[in-house]
Amino acid sequence: AIQMTQSPSSLSASVGDRVTIICRASQAIRNDLGWYQQKPGEAPKLLIYGASTLQSGVPSRFSGTGSGTDFSLTISRLQPEDFATYYCLQNNIFPYTFGQGTKLEIK
Amino acid sequence: EVQLLESGGALVQPGGSLRLSCAASGFSFNHYLMHWVRQAPGRGLQWVSGIGGKSGVIGYADSVQGRFAIARDNDKNSLFLQMSSLRVEDTALYYCVRDNHGDGMDVWGQGTTVIVSS
Repeated sequence: AIQMTQSPSSLSASVGDRVTIICRASQAIRNDLGWYQQKPGEAPKLLIYGASTLQSGVPSRFSGTGSGTDFSLTISRLQPEDFATYYCLQNNIFPYTFGQGTKLEIK
Repeated sequence: EVQLLESGGALVQPGGSLRLSCAASGFSFNHYLMHWVRQAPGRGLQWVSGIGGKSGVIGYADSVQGRFAIARDNDKNSLFLQMSSLRVEDTALYYCVRDNHGDGMDVWGQGTTVIVSS
């Protein structure tokens, strides 16, 4: 199975900061990667698919880049509602695999 | 409104079996790949299984291969997960999820809780 290594596992930042989360795949997955946001007690929410395409309704401060094995999610100007846990997911081949998650906390 | 509603979660003893169901509404169910994703208490997300629109493509996580079976009934807009030989580590909230034709998992249910304990 493809392993997804996500970093950092946790991150402290302030409102207005720019943050970047990284995911690395153990083998090339083209651009078959999505980013998900999860808040406590809620189901995950799709933010980005195809490594860089913003899901409808998601604010433009979220952006994704990457292809092959290296991917990143950037939030350009953190808002209070962005403090949550973020996951990457490779959907290139079964079994699909998530990264371990990044918990974004308020500094 | 597009909606997924899971049911069937319960407390079960190790070695036992359980069948989860997911009722889909508001979209053409048979056109979509569907998944089960789980989350153990305080842990991250884990993809469990996926099935193509016509059941021709099926996949499982290594940890459930041979113990779980995914199925769907397109006439009843329903997705299922038959779980057997359950282990304590299968304890989790199980989500039913729609896959938007490779463009991400865009619709999630609220989940159903499975607890495996003696």
